[in-house]
Amino acid sequence: DGGITQSPKYLFRKEGQNVTLSCEQNLNHDAMYWYRQDPGQGLRLIYYSQIVNDFQKGDIAEGYSVSREKKESFPLTVTSAQKNPTAFYLCASSNTGGSNGYTFGSGTRLTVV
Amino acid sequence: GQQVMQIPQYQHVQEGEDFTTYCNSSTTLSNIQWYKQRPGGHPVFLIQLVKSGEVKKQKRLTFQFGEAKKNSSLHITATQTTDVGTYFCARNFGNEKLTFGTGTRLTIIP
Repeated sequence: DGGITQSPKYLFRKEGQNVTLSCEQNLNHDAMYWYRQDPGQGLRLIYYSQIVNDFQKGDIAEGYSVSREKKESFPLTVTSAQKNPTAFYLCASSNTGGSNGYTFGSGTRLTVV
Repeated sequence: GQQVMQIPQYQHVQEGEDFTTYCNSSTTLSNIQWYKQRPGGHPVFLIQLVKSGEVKKQKRLTFQFGEAKKNSSLHITATQTTDVGTYFCARNFGNEKLTFGTGTRLTIIP
């Protein structure tokens, strides 16, 4: 079955450590996205990529980094520079133009202690 | 980014009652998408509206796009416990990047 996979589902890290969240899709989508969701809040765009080897900052990119070396993969690194990293991170992908909507992964809940 | 406001933020209804959430923009929208997120889950795409005044139905769900393409609504008829969740609208800036509304959280009283 085609889909988008995020791992791990839960992640705990100590303050000051970098952590990388995985996102893989086999939907042959060109575009991929990372969103952050805080409790009871909406989704805020961190980074997005419309094509391999290219990506753009979203609304809250500070403290995060991404890479897009393969069409299927769009990992997100939460760096120690991110001041409040504890959140629910959602990865999504879409076809060109996004007219069929985004397909989201099941998310990674990151807790920094 | 340009915001999309949703109202109400929360809605509690008795099972069987209707529910409506509204999405408003200060600027004209090229299109609008709607998503549902179950508690503890991830957003799931419901529909995209493109045309002015467009109305689309999915079983008990009715989606409308305003004539001026500045607002949209989602109406659920005769709610069921399976309708529980947060409903988001999202605007597309034409470069595929979506900006999500603040969401309306629906709870059902059995």
